[in-house]
Amino acid sequence: GAVVSQHPSRVICKSGTSVKIECRSLDFQATTMFWYRQFPKQSLMLMATSNEGSKATYEQGVEKDKFLINHASLTLSTLTVTSAHPEDSSFYICSARDRSLGGPVGPLHFGNGTRLTVT
Amino acid sequence: AQSVTQLGSHVSVSEGALVLLRCNYSSSVPPYLFWYVQYPNQGLQLLLKYTSAATLVKGINGFEAEFKKSETSFHLTKPSAHMSDAAEYFCAVSEDSGYALNFGKGTSLLVTP
Repeated sequence: GAVVSQHPSRVICKSGTSVKIECRSLDFQATTMFWYRQFPKQSLMLMATSNEGSKATYEQGVEKDKFLINHASLTLSTLTVTSAHPEDSSFYICSARDRSLGGPVGPLHFGNGTRLTVT
Repeated sequence: AQSVTQLGSHVSVSEGALVLLRCNYSSSVPPYLFWYVQYPNQGLQLLLKYTSAATLVKGINGFEAEFKKSETSFHLTKPSAHMSDAAEYFCAVSEDSGYALNFGKGTSLLVTP
């Protein structure tokens, strides 16, 4: 079945550094990818929608200069947390929609998430 | 905007007992509804989805959900709980634009021996 690979699964970084998280669709093309953030014991909050070849659309309250999203190809989107701070520590999950199956009911595949800890 | 509300942040059932996880939606248009399961430190796995076809939707691992428009509900059920069902369950609804999902706050299912 369709797989979304997210890397790394865990990362620890120091305050002030930047961290890049990759999200790849392994056996399908994804025109659109979504980035979510999940705090402990809480739900997933949509951060941004990443469209291949265009700028990402950020949700209200999400700093686009802090969370840089690049969707350079139909199989890869990256989220870069710039100048990370401890409050950025969270679980980040990407998801991708198979472009061959359009509409909201097309399969939405999730990566296994990235646990970011900023010290 | 479309949204879902999950009633009960924690549900505990005995092994073999009925599982009932509640989800109510709010939508001005016919919604697309989903149930996902999340195991610790992992992503989400789709259990089932409602796409305006049959109101009773059967999913994986013996789960099913019934769409009830009159009650604006999409509750998840399983006749007999298994220890391996212990996880976090999320109800979600899709938006019209961008097709991102709006998730409920989740329900943690505990299965006791």
